[in-house]
Amino acid sequence: AQSVAQPEDQVNVAEGNPLTVKCTYSVSGNPYLFWYVQYPNRGLQFLLKYITGDNLVKGSYGFEAEFNKSQTSFHLKKPSALVSDSALYFCAVRDPALYNFNKFYFGSGTKLNVKP
Amino acid sequence: GAGVSQSPSNKVTEKGKDVELRCDPISGHTALYWYRQSLGQGLEFLIYFQGNSAPDKSGLPSDRFSAERTGGSVSTLTIQRTQQEDSAVYLCANRDALTDTQYFGPGTRLTVL
Repeated sequence: AQSVAQPEDQVNVAEGNPLTVKCTYSVSGNPYLFWYVQYPNRGLQFLLKYITGDNLVKGSYGFEAEFNKSQTSFHLKKPSALVSDSALYFCAVRDPALYNFNKFYFGSGTKLNVKP
Repeated sequence: GAGVSQSPSNKVTEKGKDVELRCDPISGHTALYWYRQSLGQGLEFLIYFQGNSAPDKSGLPSDRFSAERTGGSVSTLTIQRTQQEDSAVYLCANRDALTDTQYFGPGTRLTVL
């Protein structure tokens, strides 16, 4: 079965420090991977995606993610965290199987706390 | 431009009552999803609409849940005989077929007393 795991419920980081939010996936075939962010009292917003090509994907607000096929991971990173990055982050995978191609599977979310 | 809107933003109901949640999608985005976000949980896929094709209802948790999309635009999610475990935030999303990006509405927070 296709699935996504975000092993950390919460990540705490000091402003200015690098941050990493972890995501691992399990799919049969080549994955389509996504990161979304949910700010308090707001809907989810798209950050970035990996479909094919360069393993390092750059997205909105200075975020990037690295696709690692051998480790089945797609960790979200940012070189220097801002207090305004504090939010709930979701990793998602799209089922590559043609019969199920419209389904997206989301992780349980990781709350990022950036402290001044 | 206008994004995905949902109404109501909050709904409190009594156990056993029916509720109807509405989603107004982005014009031109034919793919529409409903998800459920429970406290501490990820997004749970409920149903998917694409144009005039039959919807993918495989994520609906029980026959108390149903959804329709009229004219390929507005969608309503109906929950009959609500139960306390139905309490959650219900999210609607449009997918842009060109970019494969989903645009989410702000959600409806449903509380079943």
